[in-house]
Amino acid sequence: AQSVTQLGSHVSVSEGALVLLRCNYSSSVPPYLFWYVQYPNQGLQLLLKYTSAATLVKGINGFEAEFKKSETSFHLTKPSAHMSDAAEYFCAVTKAAGNKLTFGGGTRVLVKP
Amino acid sequence: EAQVTQNPRYLITVTGKKLTVTCSQNMNHEYMSWYRQDPGLGLRQIYYSMNVEVTDKGDVPEGYKVSRKEKRNFPLILESPSPNQTSLYFCASSSLTGVPTEAFFGQGTRLTVV
Repeated sequence: AQSVTQLGSHVSVSEGALVLLRCNYSSSVPPYLFWYVQYPNQGLQLLLKYTSAATLVKGINGFEAEFKKSETSFHLTKPSAHMSDAAEYFCAVTKAAGNKLTFGGGTRVLVKP
Repeated sequence: EAQVTQNPRYLITVTGKKLTVTCSQNMNHEYMSWYRQDPGLGLRQIYYSMNVEVTDKGDVPEGYKVSRKEKRNFPLILESPSPNQTSLYFCASSSLTGVPTEAFFGQGTRLTVV
């Protein structure tokens, strides 16, 4: 069975500081990995995805994530936080198209001025 | 514009009163699913559908029903809602062709059962 662990349910960063959100997964087969963002009162929006091409994946809004098979990790980073980055972030894994997405518990990011 | 539309956005109901949350997508996606979101638990899949008339249980199906009579619509039915079904619900759709692509999510339905 697949599982996803996001370390830290809440993260607080200063505006301009590095954002680092951790995601570790377990999967019996090579996974496909996603990061989604949820702004208040909205649905989930795709930030980026890993589908076995490049291990360093660039997404929208300056975010990127690196797939590290040896560490079973897919951490999300952004060099410089902006106030608009305040949201909840979800890491998710699936085995193939048509398989369910398994989500982590989410990490809520607070950005301090 | 590609979108998944859920209605209603907010719903307060009483225990035992049947309700339906509608979901419609305009992307001709084969795969549709329902999730519930609870604090600290992320999103958990309730039911999914691979195509018209093909539905199956997800991780937390108890107390829910779905139907897929048309490709674009995938309603979620609570025959006898209970307070433990108070949650935020999301409908999602995605394509089944090739490498997994992103799932498109609706805006969510916040359900309160009193």
